[in-house]
Amino acid sequence: LAKTTQPISMDSYEGQEVNITCSHNNIATNDYITWYQQFPSQGPRFIIQGYKTKVTNEVASLFIPADRKSSTLSLPRVSLSDTAVYYCLAGEDTGFQKLVFGTGTRLLVSP
Amino acid sequence: DVKVTQSSRYLVKRTGEKVFLECVQDMDHENMFWYRQDPGLGLRLIYFSYDVKMKEKGDIPEGYSVSREKKERFSLILESASTNQTSMYLCASSSTALGAGTYEQYFGPGTRLTVT
Repeated sequence: LAKTTQPISMDSYEGQEVNITCSHNNIATNDYITWYQQFPSQGPRFIIQGYKTKVTNEVASLFIPADRKSSTLSLPRVSLSDTAVYYCLAGEDTGFQKLVFGTGTRLLVSP
Repeated sequence: DVKVTQSSRYLVKRTGEKVFLECVQDMDHENMFWYRQDPGLGLRLIYFSYDVKMKEKGDIPEGYSVSREKKERFSLILESASTNQTSMYLCASSSTALGAGTYEQYFGPGTRLTVT
């Protein structure tokens, strides 16, 4: 499981696009990149997962450059309800889907 | 929708007590997990199970044990609770049927355990 590094916190305003970058220099060939979101007093929630290039769903986009040593979670036009902690994970699906969470990035969206 | 439920949202126990935390999922998932979450440390995996009666140690299994007698239920046991086990405990489940590279785990709401 590759170690990931991401900013401790970020601030934004409603309506802005937020990009959270995660570094995973030691990512292995079989590793996928996954992002989770956690609101206060709740368990984390899966947002998006990718292997390379770009993945988009109804919540976010994930950009992964060719060298895969970093990835960027993009949240379009954030609202107050996007205030949460965002976790970046990188690891191989061993069949047991063991995840290693870091401390995440605390995003604060202000009016 | 997948639902993962945990027996209590808040629990207060005394040092030395045996504590049971129960987790139930309703989606017939093969994998179940127990994490603890502490400020500044993120989530840390305690134990996980990939089948009934099967268990694997996570990163911090000391002081804990688990039981999985039925597919939908995964219990975390603190044999003799200590103050350093005061934490938020999160249960999760996932399916192996989703295919390679899928890391979608479904989490319960958590149990905030205080040991005094």
